[in-house]
Amino acid sequence: AQRVTQPEKLLSVFKGAPVELKCNYSYSGSPELFWYVQYSRQRLQLLLRHISRESIKGFTADLNKGETSFHLKKPFAQEEDSAMYYCALMNNAGNMLTFGGGTRLMVKP
Amino acid sequence: ETGVTQSPTHLIKTRGQQVTLRCSSQSGHNTVSWYQQALGQGPQFIFQYYREEENGRGNFPPRFSGLQFPNYSSELNVNALELDDSALYLCASSPAQRRDTGELFFGEGSRLTVL
Repeated sequence: AQRVTQPEKLLSVFKGAPVELKCNYSYSGSPELFWYVQYSRQRLQLLLRHISRESIKGFTADLNKGETSFHLKKPFAQEEDSAMYYCALMNNAGNMLTFGGGTRLMVKP
Repeated sequence: ETGVTQSPTHLIKTRGQQVTLRCSSQSGHNTVSWYQQALGQGPQFIFQYYREEENGRGNFPPRFSGLQFPNYSSELNVNALELDDSALYLCASSPAQRRDTGELFFGEGSRLTVL
């Protein structure tokens, strides 16, 4: 069975501070991992995927297979980063995303 | 380009009743997935439809069923409603060529309350 754990329900930081949202996964196959974000009064949307190795809105995430982690990082948080963040794992069949419980990021001015 | 639309946005039912939720996928998308999101939790996969056939199912009982139509719109039906079925139901679509890339386009959801 695949599982995604986000240990922090809420993360509060000041503007300009570094941010790290933690994600750990459990999966027997080769993992494909994603971060989804939901801004206030907006739909859930894809932020980034590990296979693309991209930086979106200053966020990056590195897959660490040894620690089974996929933490989301940003060196300098902005107020507009305040949102709900979900880590998600795709199964081998490519038809099911397993989401973590989510972390609410609050960036204070 | 019209995004994923869901209806109704809110509804209230009583235990034992049946409910049908509807979803219109984004233009050009032929795959539709349904997720249940209970309060304070992440979305949980119910099932996916591709070319009008069920293409994967999560850990939900048979009273959760679905349909996909030739125009790729979809319905989620839940029979014999239970209190624990109270949740936000999210529909997500994806284009054929990126069906398995993990990029889903979500609707705003239908919030179901079961009393």
